Amino acid sequence: SQTIHQWPATLVQPVGSPLSLECTVEGTSNPNLYWYRQAAGRGLQLLFYSVGIGQISSEVPQNLSASRPQDRQFILSSKKLLLSDSGFYLCAWSVPRSSYGYTFGSGTRLTVV
Amino acid sequence: AQSVTQLDSHVSVSEGTPVLLRCNYSSSYSPSLFWYVQHPNKGLQLLLKYTSAATLVKGINGFEAEFKKSETSFHLTKPSAHMSDAAEYFCVVSDVGMRFGAGTRLTVKP
Repeated sequence: SQTIHQWPATLVQPVGSPLSLECTVEGTSNPNLYWYRQAAGRGLQLLFYSVGIGQISSEVPQNLSASRPQDRQFILSSKKLLLSDSGFYLCAWSVPRSSYGYTFGSGTRLTVV
Repeated sequence: AQSVTQLDSHVSVSEGTPVLLRCNYSSSYSPSLFWYVQHPNKGLQLLLKYTSAATLVKGINGFEAEFKKSETSFHLTKPSAHMSDAAEYFCVVSDVGMRFGAGTRLTVKP
């Protein structure tokens, strides 16, 4: 069966420090991968999506970047965190060209202090 | 371009009464539409999905939603609310990526 792992679950980082959140998927090949952010009191916002290794599309200009070094690995990064980067980050995967829906990781709560 | 609007940020109902969470969408294509639920401190869970088959979609936990193309709506309903339904609900329209609504917080009073 397919599973998605996301870590860490919570993270407190000082302003200006780097960030690396990792997401891996098991039990499937060539998934579409996504990073979402849920800011306090707001809905989910699509940050990045990837349809293959090394292929990253950015939805909104921001302080973050994403990489997909392997088929089932998706990494969210920042060189220098801002206070506004605080939020709840969710990784998700889907089957390409499928209407099944998306499977989400358990999320990472990031607090920038 | 696709977008989704959830018309109520907060809905409060009494246990045993009907639930209505409203969602309107816009899409350049025939959309796939979803409702997700997020309970406190938990991940997102798929409630139901519409993918151009039957316009009335039944989901888990007694929820259902009706796709109305003429009204560009996909409202979520449940005949009788339960305390365990208290959560955040997201309406989602899907094209290349998913566009989430801002969410509706459902409160269920005893």
